[in-house]
Amino acid sequence: DAKTTQPTSMDCAEGRAANLPCNHSTISGNEYVYWYRQIHSQGPQYIIHGLKNNETNEMASLIITEDRKSSTLILPHATLRDTAVYYCIVRVGAGGFKTIFGAGTRLFVKA
Amino acid sequence: DVKVTQSSRYLVKRTGEKVFLECVQDMDHENMFWYRQDPGLGLRLIYFSYDVKMKEKGDIPEGYSVSREKKERFSLILESASTNQTSMYLCASSLEGGEAFFGQGTRLTVV
Repeated sequence: DAKTTQPTSMDCAEGRAANLPCNHSTISGNEYVYWYRQIHSQGPQYIIHGLKNNETNEMASLIITEDRKSSTLILPHATLRDTAVYYCIVRVGAGGFKTIFGAGTRLFVKA
Repeated sequence: DVKVTQSSRYLVKRTGEKVFLECVQDMDHENMFWYRQDPGLGLRLIYFSYDVKMKEKGDIPEGYSVSREKKERFSLILESASTNQTSMYLCASSLEGGEAFFGQGTRLTVV
């Protein structure tokens, strides 16, 4: 599975959009981009995933560049409860979830 | 909703003890995983299983073993606990090719 690079931490004002970047320059054509988040003392929670098209669900939007070497997770109206560590990972869709989660981005949403 | 349940949130064990961490999922997932999480290191895969009685080593299997006698249950075993196994342990399950769902984690302290 390809390696990802994320900033260590980011701040965001409550009510504003939080844009979390991720670089995955060695991604293969059959690898998906997944985003998870982990709120303190809880297990990681699935947010969204995509292959090459942009995706949106009730939690977030995922924007993947045309060359697929980077992506951005967008939380459109961040709340204090969105303060968490956000993990970007890439993996092949079939074959289980044998991937390594990196250190992620610690997002602080401030009032 | 998928539910992944880990038997304990907190455990304290003595060095040399045999420790069992239990994980149960209720959605008939083929794949189950055990990770450990340490500060600054993200989640690291210990073992995973893609079917009953099947198991494969992850990235850090030393000092651990697993058991999967039934599809819904995946146990992590520390044969002789050591202080460097003090960590947060996370169990996850997934369908083949699907996203992973995580339990709440077990914080193990070995003294």
